[in-house]
Amino acid sequence: AQSVTQLDSQVPVFEEAPVELRCNYSSSVSVYLFWYVQYPNQGLQLLLKYLSGSTLVESINGFEAEFNKSQTSFHLRKPSVHISDTAEYFCAVSENNFNKFYFGSGTKLNVKP
Amino acid sequence: EAQVTQNPRYLITVTGKKLTVTCSQNMNHEYMSWYRQDPGLGLRQIYYSMNVEVTDKGDVPEGYKVSRKEKRNFPLILESPSPNQTSLYFCASSRDSMNTGELFFGEGSRLTVL
Repeated sequence: AQSVTQLDSQVPVFEEAPVELRCNYSSSVSVYLFWYVQYPNQGLQLLLKYLSGSTLVESINGFEAEFNKSQTSFHLRKPSVHISDTAEYFCAVSENNFNKFYFGSGTKLNVKP
Repeated sequence: EAQVTQNPRYLITVTGKKLTVTCSQNMNHEYMSWYRQDPGLGLRQIYYSMNVEVTDKGDVPEGYKVSRKEKRNFPLILESPSPNQTSLYFCASSRDSMNTGELFFGEGSRLTVL
């Protein structure tokens, strides 16, 4: 089974500062990688995903993540955060059939004015 | 509006009293799954279903049952709830298991077992 590690449970940051949320996974087999965002009292929403091709993937609201196979990482970055980015972010991994999904423990991003 | 609907959203019950959390999706998705979310543990998969009458265990299936008699519905059954099943539960669906893997989540059902 996969193991997904999000080392930072909370990340406080000031508005307009850059941020990086870290994600590492355990398996070396082919995987598909996802970042989901959860706003308070809501379900999770897909932020971005890596299936194949370019290792750098972007979301429509300025986040990006880079798949690094040698380091088994999929860190999420944003060059300038907004107050509205305050949420909990989950990294997830699925193997080659999309039946089973493994989620990290989540990182709470708190953007301060 | 495309959505995944869970009911009830909040429930307090007592140990041993059978309960069902319903999940319904209106997107004609083949794949559905259940997760529980606990602080510091993230989401853990309970069961999933690739299609009608096809279900399989996730990582934490003990104490839960599911059924998939219709494509749109995927209820989660707790036959004899215990306090360690107090959690926030999410249902999710996806177009099919070989698609892009994007999960669409319901808003969650917060269950407390006393």
